[in-house]
Amino acid sequence: GEEVAQTPKHLVRGEGQKAKLYCAPIKGHSYVFWYQQVLKNEFKFLISFQNENVFDETGMPKERFSAKCLPNSPCSLEIQATKLEDSAVYFCASSDLAGRTDTQYFGPGTRLTVL
Amino acid sequence: KNQVEQSPQSLIILEGKNCTLQCNYTVSPFSNLRWYKQDTGRGPVSLTIMTFSENTKSNGRYTATLDADTKQSSLHITASQLSDSASYICVVSPNYGGSQGNLIFGKGTKLSVKP
Repeated sequence: GEEVAQTPKHLVRGEGQKAKLYCAPIKGHSYVFWYQQVLKNEFKFLISFQNENVFDETGMPKERFSAKCLPNSPCSLEIQATKLEDSAVYFCASSDLAGRTDTQYFGPGTRLTVL
Repeated sequence: KNQVEQSPQSLIILEGKNCTLQCNYTVSPFSNLRWYKQDTGRGPVSLTIMTFSENTKSNGRYTATLDADTKQSSLHITASQLSDSASYICVVSPNYGGSQGNLIFGKGTKLSVKP
């Protein structure tokens, strides 16, 4: 498709439950990025992929967060045992290249609320 | 510490007026600087991308400037329209050996254009 698709739009979980978010990048884009936006404009980089390979995972809280991009499937971001502070909007972005000036196209985000 | 600071935090202007948003950064080494527009409830949309060798870049009524020596950038909006009401986010990409690496986001300036 011509837009990055993210599902679900909203997700509500009780503290300690698992949450799984999905992202379908723009067709033909090789790079996928996940960001967490807390308190409106506080964006935090989580992880990026080049096709199915992890490209940069310096932002990932590895103890509870995991992510995958498998061939012919949407990419996913999974949070085990969610905590209240995981409440945020999670954005996925894709790019056709990883060059210095290549544009990242963002999806509409998934709003996760942990109660 | 790599940081991106934006000012003002919020701004209200009348339709048809011009405005300038500011961005200061301490990211080093620096690869490029991007301005994004984020409408409420949507993902960010890229407006401009500038490398360290570029001083100015325009996209319609949006003109971004960059001074890599003083580590400052501005986004000028000409003849504002109601649809310009959004958050404008300054994003800096560190130089990680040619790749995008991860992006460092400012907190944004919330612009409201009133009729």
